[in-house]
Order: sequence, then C-alpha cells, then structure tokens
Amino acid sequence: GQQVMQIPQYQHVQEGEDFTTYCNSSTTLSNIQWYKQRPGGHPVFLIQLVKSGEVKKQKRLTFQFGEAKKNSSLHITATQTTDVGTYFCAVYMDSNYQLIWGAGTKLIIKP
Amino acid sequence: SQTIHQWPATLVQPVGSPLSLECTVEGTSNPNLYWYRQAAGRGLQLLFYSVGIGQISSEVPQNLSASRPQDRQFILSSKKLLLSDSGFYLCAWTPGQGGETQYFGPGTRLLVL
Repeated sequence: GQQVMQIPQYQHVQEGEDFTTYCNSSTTLSNIQWYKQRPGGHPVFLIQLVKSGEVKKQKRLTFQFGEAKKNSSLHITATQTTDVGTYFCAVYMDSNYQLIWGAGTKLIIKP
Repeated sequence: SQTIHQWPATLVQPVGSPLSLECTVEGTSNPNLYWYRQAAGRGLQLLFYSVGIGQISSEVPQNLSASRPQDRQFILSSKKLLLSDSGFYLCAWTPGQGGETQYFGPGTRLLVL
C-alpha cells in the first residue's frame, strides 16, 4: 500500500535557526498535506499541495511539492518558540477516504 | 461553523474495565468520521473510520470497537481494556463526498493501569 517516509524523526535547533522536514514516496502522489501538532495538542491542518513543483508560503513556512510529485518539504525560516511541535505530512487516498500519514518530525528548540 | 467535541479529556482506567469515548461534530451533515490512537511521542494510527450511519471500517484488529449511532456521533468502545490501550485518542472529521482535510477534536488521554 501507499507509504510516505518522513525524516528526520527529531530536529534540535537554536531559536533563530532554520528547520526542514522531508516526506518521500516511491510512487507518484496526487496530493500532500501538512499538519502541525503542538505539544499536548491535536493535529491542525496547515496546507495542501497538488501541483507538480508547487511552492506555497505561509509567513516563515515554505512548502514544496517535487517536480515528480514523489517528495515534499516544509521549511521554517528563523524558528521561534511558537514553532515547537511535531510536523506531519499526509497523503489523501480518495479510494478509501483515508489519509496516509508520515511518522512526523519533532521540532525542538534548544534552551 | 463546524466544531468537534470529544469527551472525556482525560481518563484513568484499570485493566479489564470497559471504555466508552464519544465524539460529536456540529455544524455539518454526513461527515466522514475517524478514530486515531497516538502513543506517546509517536505517529497517528488509524483505528476506525465511517462514511455513514452504521457504516464502520476497522483498520487494526484489536479489542476496540466503534459505532456510529447518529450522523454526527462516533463512539469508541472496549469491553476489557489492556495496558497497551493507553494513549491519546483523537477523533477527526472531513466533509463527506470527497473532503480531504481532516479536522481533529481535542483528544482523550487514556491511561490504563
């Protein structure tokens, strides 16, 4: 079945440094979504990408969908304490109404 | 606007006791509904989903069950809890007929002792 591999599992950064998480698939994806889960909270939808090579920005967050639609990335510029949490990618499967989730990348700000 | 409720927020239960977690959605009709479990520091595991009243699909065989007695109500149950049932239980909904974005409830933290 469809799988998405997300790396890294954790990323420790100093406040102000950049952060990037990657999702990869061996097969072409029709779409990819990104969610953020704050510590102790629930996942919250950030964005969906559907077009080859698509790039979308939300303030300091940049989302990219690869040209071959087999990979995606989320990049955060100049991290802040409010960025702490786990970022998940997910692929919607219209065959069964499910999301296939990546394992998540936990962003940790070093004290 | 649509809202999703889950209760209770936290629960501590002894091994072997029953479980009932409830999820309700307001402000929409015929949503697709989902139950997930998340172990501490881990990803999301889909347990059940439903595309209509009385229609339940199970993704993981275990001692849990789900029911959808009303259009906007989704219940997760167990007759006898195991230690391994501890975790964070999340309910989510999407608009029916092709809605792709999932909207999550606040979750229930279950500790089985």
